[in-house]
Amino acid sequence: GQNIDQPTEMTATEGAIVQINCTYQTSGFNGLFWYQQHAGEAPTFLSYNVLDGLEEKGRFSSFLSRSKGYSYLLLKELQMKDSASYLCAVMDSNYQLIWGAGTKLIIKP
Amino acid sequence: DAMVIQNPRYQVTQFGKPVTLSCSQTLNHNVMYWYQQKSSQAPKLLFHYYDKDFNNEADTPDNFQSRRPNTSFCFLDIRSPGLGDAAMYLCATSRDGGATDTQYFGPGTRLTVL
Repeated sequence: GQNIDQPTEMTATEGAIVQINCTYQTSGFNGLFWYQQHAGEAPTFLSYNVLDGLEEKGRFSSFLSRSKGYSYLLLKELQMKDSASYLCAVMDSNYQLIWGAGTKLIIKP
Repeated sequence: DAMVIQNPRYQVTQFGKPVTLSCSQTLNHNVMYWYQQKSSQAPKLLFHYYDKDFNNEADTPDNFQSRRPNTSFCFLDIRSPGLGDAAMYLCATSRDGGATDTQYFGPGTRLTVL
């Protein structure tokens, strides 16, 4: 079966750095996406990785290791508005997105 | 601005009373998706259209139907909503559904079943 694992919830302090991990087992791999979802709202696209390594985009970076079936999303200089769920999704060999249940990130002052 | 629009944002219906949710897009994308998302769960793909070509997920109940009359619009019909169908319904689009293709989401419709 296909599976995406992420921690259910994480807590971090404003101004700090947090790393959200994602491990996956899928039928084929055509890239890994990270989305941000605020409570009661739709997911918004953050990043896409298809090759191994780190992709940096402002305060957010995403890392991929295909051999390990592993990715992480790194958030720096945390702000209160970063409180949200972060969803990891993998595109499989049929170009279907397999979604994780999301990691709820709580930011404390 | 190019976008994905969903109406209504909040929908209340009675148990068993048919309801239709709508989605429109100005991105001119070929692919449109309907997802169901319950609290603290991953979005669950119900079906998608590649242009006019309809693709139903194997575990999508028959109670859920969809129509795509043209490139811009897509509808989700729930024929006889049950209490278990209360959820957020997300519409998404992508350019061609291939590798590297990003899905863009509408704001969602939160369905309540009384």
